[in-house]
Amino acid sequence: SQQGEEDPQALSIQEGENATMNCSYKTSINNLQWYRQNSGRGLVHLILIRSNEREKHSGRLRVTLDTSKKSSSLLITASRAADTASYFCATDATTDSWGKLQFGAGTQVVVTP
Amino acid sequence: ETGVTQSPTHLIKTRGQQVTLRCSSQSGHNTVSWYQQALGQGPQFIFQYYREEENGRGNFPPRFSGLQFPNYSSELNVNALELDDSALYLCASSSRTANTEAFFGQGTRLTVV
Repeated sequence: SQQGEEDPQALSIQEGENATMNCSYKTSINNLQWYRQNSGRGLVHLILIRSNEREKHSGRLRVTLDTSKKSSSLLITASRAADTASYFCATDATTDSWGKLQFGAGTQVVVTP
Repeated sequence: ETGVTQSPTHLIKTRGQQVTLRCSSQSGHNTVSWYQQALGQGPQFIFQYYREEENGRGNFPPRFSGLQFPNYSSELNVNALELDDSALYLCASSSRTANTEAFFGQGTRLTVV
């Protein structure tokens, strides 16, 4: 079973718009990471947020974490066609599972020019 | 570029055969984790190697085995291949000591016919 679940499963927006996707997870975590995957290739690391952090920014990306609700969100601002990809959240649970990431099924984002 | 390289890129094998996939970790990283990603799904954790020893395994049968070498590179071996083993196999390297995020290779696409 997968720890995280992304929502929505798919998202279609136009260039310049913002894209928001959410991730919910089941157990306590050390940290949560967001990854991007283009066309079934390798995963590109986007951002890591630790369990004691609530918000983090990196360029056009903004990630929030609410440990009380066991949820996270990824916001991509001013989207570009190159942002078209699948986005995954991955959690690193606390119980001696460092680095053993559990992924959701991902959100497929399509950005049209 | 993450510095994590996997070989081969693509592979076609026949049911019942054995396969070995290889991963070179990023310089300075001492931990390698392997994941299986079926089409349309998120990656599933197979196992992790730290200092040449298996350090945790997901829900995969014993015919999935691995090795880590003194230079921290790693192999994933799958015996008695089944059609359901067709997937993208990803390796991720990280540093347990430095508590870094995981960086993924481009993956090996395995097709079992």
